[in-house]
Amino acid sequence: DVKVTQSSRYLVKRTGEKVFLECVQDMDHENMFWYRQDPGLGLRLIYFSYDVKMKEKGDIPEGYSVSREKKERFSLILESASTNQTSMYLCASTPDRSSYEQYFGPGTRLTVT
Amino acid sequence: AQSVTQLDSQVPVFEEAPVELRCNYSSSVSVYLFWYVQYPNQGLQLLLKYLSGSTLVKGINGFEAEFNKSQTSFHLRKPSVHISDTAEYFCAVRRSKAAGNKLTFGGGTRVLVKP
Repeated sequence: DVKVTQSSRYLVKRTGEKVFLECVQDMDHENMFWYRQDPGLGLRLIYFSYDVKMKEKGDIPEGYSVSREKKERFSLILESASTNQTSMYLCASTPDRSSYEQYFGPGTRLTVT
Repeated sequence: AQSVTQLDSQVPVFEEAPVELRCNYSSSVSVYLFWYVQYPNQGLQLLLKYLSGSTLVKGINGFEAEFNKSQTSFHLRKPSVHISDTAEYFCAVRRSKAAGNKLTFGGGTRVLVKP
């Protein structure tokens, strides 16, 4: 079974802090994605990566950056957390660009106070 | 660009009753269509997908969906729900001809199955 893990289920940070959200997949997948999930808005794509050291902006990249130094790990970085970044963050992966199914981690609920 | 509209944000339903979750999309190009389910405190998992061929698609846990190109819809149905179907359901699309598998999601429909 594909396993996508996220470093924390719940996280509370203060405004202005630098925040790292980590995602690891154990199936040698090429593609990885970061979404945020908000009520009524569904999932919105923040950043994605098709290969190590590659990254592309999604639909809402402002205020975020990412890092992919190793194939299995994709990190989401909030350079200076703000209260409007309080949300559920979901990581996903797929084997390659032609794959249809995305495999999701359990999510990290981030609260910025 | 694509967009997805899920017309109902919440659907309460009694156990063993049928349920239909509505999804409409807009796109200037042909698309693939998906339904994902998110059980409480879990990530999303794929219920079913439409790529091509028969417009009636069957998925896991007794769910099915029908693709209607003229109405740009992909509604999800189950003839008899269980308590365990309580979850949030997301409709999603991606461009069929694009290299890459970016998904665009709808806002989600929360299903609450009552005993």
